[in-house]
Amino acid sequence: AQSVSQHNHHVILSEAASLELGCNYSYGGTVNLFWYVQYPGQHLQLLLKYFSGDPLVKGIKGFEAEFIKSKFSFNLRKPSVQWSDTAEYFCAVSPRYSSASKIIFGSGTRLSIRP
Amino acid sequence: EAGVTQFPSHSVIEKGQTVTLRCDPISGHDNLYWYRRVMGKEIKFLLHFVKESKQDESGMPNNRFLAERTGGTYSTLKVQPAELEDSGVYFCASSQGQVNTEAFFGQGTRLTVV
Repeated sequence: AQSVSQHNHHVILSEAASLELGCNYSYGGTVNLFWYVQYPGQHLQLLLKYFSGDPLVKGIKGFEAEFIKSKFSFNLRKPSVQWSDTAEYFCAVSPRYSSASKIIFGSGTRLSIRP
Repeated sequence: EAGVTQFPSHSVIEKGQTVTLRCDPISGHDNLYWYRRVMGKEIKFLLHFVKESKQDESGMPNNRFLAERTGGTYSTLKVQPAELEDSGVYFCASSQGQVNTEAFFGQGTRLTVV
């Protein structure tokens, strides 16, 4: 069965620290990969996505993620976090050439940044 | 341009009552999706509308849940009668196309059944 595993339920960092959130998926075919973010009281929004091409994907707000096919991983990184990055982050996967009805989400990682 | 809007943002109801959640998609988006996140776990797919037709309702948990999208614009998700395990956050999303296109999400409706 398809699944997405996010390694950390809650991460607490100080401002300017580097961030890496782990994500591994289980799926036998070609995939699309996503990171979504939900800031407090706001919409769930797309941070970045990988469909094909360069496995290092740049997203909004200085985030990036690297697709490592051999490890079935799509870890999210940011070199220096800010207090405004406090949010919940969701990794997600879907089969290539599918609709949003086939998106499988991870359980989310809550990121708290100490000012 | 307005994003996906969900109403209400929070709802607290007693077991056995009925609740109706509403989603207004982005104007012009034919595809509308409902998802649910229960007890801080994964966000899971419930169903998919294309215009007013149900394309896929494989994620609907049981027949206490009824989704409609009359006229192909806004959608409602009714839970009747509500049970304790229905508590969670219900997300709506919309997209213009189906394949490999971005789905835009609302802020979710937090439903608490007591």
